[in-house]
Amino acid sequence: GAGVSQSPSNKVTEKGKDVELRCDPISGHTALYWYRQSLGQGLEFLIYFQGNSAPDKSGLPSDRFSAERTGGSVSTLTIQRTQQEDSAVYLCASSLGQPGQTGELFFGEGSRLTVL
Amino acid sequence: SQQGEEDPQALSIQEGENATMNCSYKTSINNLQWYRQNSGRGLVHLILIRSNEREKHSGRLRVTLDTSKKSSSLLITASRAADTASYFCATINTGGFKTIFGAGTRLFVKA
Repeated sequence: GAGVSQSPSNKVTEKGKDVELRCDPISGHTALYWYRQSLGQGLEFLIYFQGNSAPDKSGLPSDRFSAERTGGSVSTLTIQRTQQEDSAVYLCASSLGQPGQTGELFFGEGSRLTVL
Repeated sequence: SQQGEEDPQALSIQEGENATMNCSYKTSINNLQWYRQNSGRGLVHLILIRSNEREKHSGRLRVTLDTSKKSSSLLITASRAADTASYFCATINTGGFKTIFGAGTRLFVKA
C-alpha cells in the first residue's frame, strides 16, 4: 500500500493474554519505529529497526515486550501476559535513509489496545 | 526523560488568530521536526528544520530554531477550525537514531 499499515486497529484482550501487533511499512523504507501513546499523552519510544536489526531495545518497558522485523519489511510487536497498564495506542512509523539524516517519519493509524 | 517538551500544554484561540507553540530540548540535535495529530489518528509530518537553520516557512507555518537556547517555536498564522489538533515537536540527537517526541500542545481553534 501507499502508507504505513497497522493491524489490528483495535484489540480488546483479557489481562494475562498475549497480543501481537503488526506493522507493514512503506515499501523501501529501511527504518521502522514503534511508539506507545497513552491517552492524551506524548509518544513513548519503544524500539527502532534499521533493516532487520534493532540497535536499541532500551525503550521496551519490560521483558514482556518484544519485537521483530523480517525481510526488512513487516514488523511484529508482541506483548506477553498483558497487564492493564499496557492499554494504549501503539504507533508504528517508517522512514527512508539513515537515522539522524532525513528524519521524516510516516506513521500508521495505530493499534488501540485495551486490556481488561 | 523526554527530549522535547512543549508549552503550552493546551491552547484555545479564535479562528483567524495566530497560534504559537514552543518546544525545548536537552541535547545537541541534527534536526527538529513538528508533527500534527488529529484525534484518534496517526501523526503527520509538518516541517523539518535543520540545526544550521534559524527559520523556515511552509504555507501558514513558521518555525524558528535557537540552538543556543535549545528551543523551537511553531507559529500557525490565520488559524482555522481545521487546525484543531495536537502538535508535537520531535528531535534526533546528534549521531543518534531515536526520534523523540515531546508531550505535545493541544490546540483548539474556535469557529
